[in-house]
Amino acid sequence: AQSVTQLGSHVSVSEGALVLLRCNYSSSVPPYLFWYVQYPNQGLQLLLKYTTGATLVKGINGFEAEFKKSETSFHLTKPSAHMSDAAEYFCAVGHQGGKLIFGQGTELSVKP
Amino acid sequence: NAGVTQTPKFQVLKTGQSMTLQCAQDMNHNSMYWYRQDPGMGLRLIYYSASEGTTDKGEVPNGYNVSRLNKREFSLRLESAAPSQTSVYFCASSEARRAPWETQYFGPGTRLLVL
Repeated sequence: AQSVTQLGSHVSVSEGALVLLRCNYSSSVPPYLFWYVQYPNQGLQLLLKYTTGATLVKGINGFEAEFKKSETSFHLTKPSAHMSDAAEYFCAVGHQGGKLIFGQGTELSVKP
Repeated sequence: NAGVTQTPKFQVLKTGQSMTLQCAQDMNHNSMYWYRQDPGMGLRLIYYSASEGTTDKGEVPNGYNVSRLNKREFSLRLESAAPSQTSVYFCASSEARRAPWETQYFGPGTRLLVL
């Protein structure tokens, strides 16, 4: 069975600091991996996804994630946090039948 | 394009009442999904529809029914609401059928409170 674990339900960084949100997955087949972002009182929108090919994936708003098969990880990073990055971030794995299995989410706070 | 729209935005029900959450997409997508979001639990799939005329259970289907009315619309019905169904409900859609690599596009959500 596929599953996703996000380490840390809350992460707080200072503006300008590195953002690192951790995601580990479990999958018996090559995974399709996603990061979605949810701003307050809004739906989710795609940040980036890994399907095949290059393991370093770049997304919107300066975010990127690296697929590491040996570590079963897909951590999300951004070199310099901005106040507008404050949101909840969800890692997900694509499941057979087109379903998404989500992690529990990480709330990112950015301090001025 | 409006994308994925949901109605209502907010609803308060009493235990035992019924209601239908509506979802529509204008992207000509084949697949549609209903999720619920609860604190600390991420999003969990309730039901999904890979194409018009088909529906399948997700992780937490008990207490819900769905209808894929046509390609655009996918409704979620609570026949007898319970306080455990207090949640935020999201509808989503994706272009392909049963494709785990596809991006899903989400609506703005419906906040449901069951007293």
